[in-house]
Amino acid sequence: DGGITQSPKYLFRKEGQNVTLSCEQNLNHDAMYWYRQDPGQGLRLIYYSQIVNDFQKGDIAEGYSVSREKKESFPLTVTSAQKNPTAFYLCASSIDLMGAEAFFGQGTRLTVV
Amino acid sequence: GQQVMQIPQYQHVQEGEDFTTYCNSSTTLSNIQWYKQRPGGHPVFLIQLVKSGEVKKQKRLTFQFGEAKKNSSLHITATQTTDVGTYFCAGPTSGTYKYIFGTGTRLKVLA
Repeated sequence: DGGITQSPKYLFRKEGQNVTLSCEQNLNHDAMYWYRQDPGQGLRLIYYSQIVNDFQKGDIAEGYSVSREKKESFPLTVTSAQKNPTAFYLCASSIDLMGAEAFFGQGTRLTVV
Repeated sequence: GQQVMQIPQYQHVQEGEDFTTYCNSSTTLSNIQWYKQRPGGHPVFLIQLVKSGEVKKQKRLTFQFGEAKKNSSLHITATQTTDVGTYFCAGPTSGTYKYIFGTGTRLKVLA
């Protein structure tokens, strides 16, 4: 099945630890995105990538890092510098950045304990 | 910076009633997309509007893009319990292609 897969679904992290969220797509899409969603709120853009080995900061990139070494993979690292990391993280992909439909993964719910 | 606001934030309706959510951007949008997110789920693409004044229909859903391309609306006729969820609009920021999502409207349908 073609799609976008995020893992894990639930993640618990101790304060001060870095954690990496996985995002893989087999749709052959060039563009990939990471969004953060807080309870009862909309989606805020963390990072996006138009092509392999290239990525751009979104509106709330502080405390996060990404890499795009392969077309199908766009992992997100939540660093200890992120002051309030508990949230629902959504990865998405689209054919390109030119206004194409975005396909979302199932999301990862991160909780800092 | 560019903002995309949606109203209302919440809406409770009786099953069978109509529902409308409005999306307003602080700047002109080249196009706008609508997504639906079921409770506990992820956003799913519904439609994209590109032309000024464009109207598209999907069964009981009617989508409209404003003449000035700064606002949009989604109207659901005769709501059903399956319509429950949060509806988001999304549009590209000026001068870039990164999409900004609206604040969302959470719809609850009472049977």
